[in-house]
Amino acid sequence: QKEVEQNSGPLSVPEGAIASLNCTYSDRGSQSFFWYRQYSGKSPELIMFIYSNGDKEDGRFTAQLNKASQYVSLLIRDSQPSDSATYLCAVNNDYKLSFGAGTTVTVRA
Amino acid sequence: GAVVSQHPSRVICKSGTSVKIECRSLDFQATTMFWYRQFPKQSLMLMATSNEGSKATYEQGVEKDKFLINHASLTLSTLTVTSAHPEDSSFYICSARTSGGWDTQYFGPGTRLTVL
Repeated sequence: QKEVEQNSGPLSVPEGAIASLNCTYSDRGSQSFFWYRQYSGKSPELIMFIYSNGDKEDGRFTAQLNKASQYVSLLIRDSQPSDSATYLCAVNNDYKLSFGAGTTVTVRA
Repeated sequence: GAVVSQHPSRVICKSGTSVKIECRSLDFQATTMFWYRQFPKQSLMLMATSNEGSKATYEQGVEKDKFLINHASLTLSTLTVTSAHPEDSSFYICSARTSGGWDTQYFGPGTRLTVL
């Protein structure tokens, strides 16, 4: 069983703060990791992917990967009300994605 | 780029009927497409992997005779829910995998199926 675990949330942050989302995975052979955002009633939207240890930044989003610890995280800086959504961590295994249960983020105005 | 469409976006049908859902990659060729199902408050569950020109690979517990998948071209995959029942009501989402790179999947907008 290839498992992906996320902190369950919900996570409530004030507008302008940093939201920190965590994800761990069980398969050491996993090569690529994805963060998707899903608004209620909508399909997932790709935010970013990462495959090398370290940080990857894209606008207000930063993904961090530590393969030794089997840990990937997402930081959302300067959180906006429009960031309120469920964030899904996904791990690539044999061309298929295994998803975590998601963390729901609410940004308070 | 990497746009995936689905049709219809919403369908309501009577129990016992069949429903076909189309998934298209609009601006790229997708040798592999995936079909997911998502129940309320739950994460995505992979149903099957659809490869162009070959039979789909179904996940454990998914009935291949009930969920028929056809991937006739590099831009189109279809899912047919046969003899639908109320328990099949769900949000069905397809995704298409870009070739090369890191197997990034782009999702369609989803189809909400309600079986009465």
